[in-house]
Amino acid sequence: QSVLTQPPSVSAAPGQKVTISCSGSNSNIGNNYVSWYQQLPRTAPKLLIYDNSKRPSGIPDRFSCSKSGTSATLGITGLQTGDEANYYCATWDRSLSAVVFGGGTKLTVL
Amino acid sequence: EVQLLESGGGLVQPGGSLRLSCAASGFTFSSTAMSWVRQAPGKGLEWVSGISGAGGAAYYADSVKGRFTISRDNSKNTLYLQMSSLRAEDTALYYCAKDQDYFSSFDFWGQGTLVTVSS
Repeated sequence: QSVLTQPPSVSAAPGQKVTISCSGSNSNIGNNYVSWYQQLPRTAPKLLIYDNSKRPSGIPDRFSCSKSGTSATLGITGLQTGDEANYYCATWDRSLSAVVFGGGTKLTVL
Repeated sequence: EVQLLESGGGLVQPGGSLRLSCAASGFTFSSTAMSWVRQAPGKGLEWVSGISGAGGAAYYADSVKGRFTISRDNSKNTLYLQMSSLRAEDTALYYCAKDQDYFSSFDFWGQGTLVTVSS
């Protein structure tokens, strides 16, 4: 059971928009920055979003994130088949003194 | 170019020990916090441990506390994870990850080293 809760799977058609939620508490999301990672099959995770809403160089603006209270949401617009991957949220948890990850969400582009 | 190269994985019996290494290059290693993150077969990501740049602060997931020890040698640009009292549930691909800003996000990842705990 992950400290951060994500839906196991989401799906949408090419060109459409999808959102992935990440729910936590005041000890983690509520008081710390959230980051998001994309993991394509058989590859290492890749940083998509950091500090709640910033994108590293090379990450297209189709990827965005918003945070409200103890939840964060990753949005992906203009879906492409290459976006099919597992997506994870993460943040620091001050009660655990540890980094916590969400359980991951598998995105299927139909 | 940032590079992280893990090594030291392998097959170990339950109760055994193993030491993982991560050779880093392409950034100022001594001023960068580092972490180990693992992924069991078919499962999600699990943060295992992290250490500050100077090595003075170390943090652990509850699942490994008391059994794993993280350390670093800044003169060799190398991160370590000493694992003992290994259990079947420690079987996973272990990634070395570079912290972007003191455990707030991980901007570079190695390719991982596989640890299998089995008799």
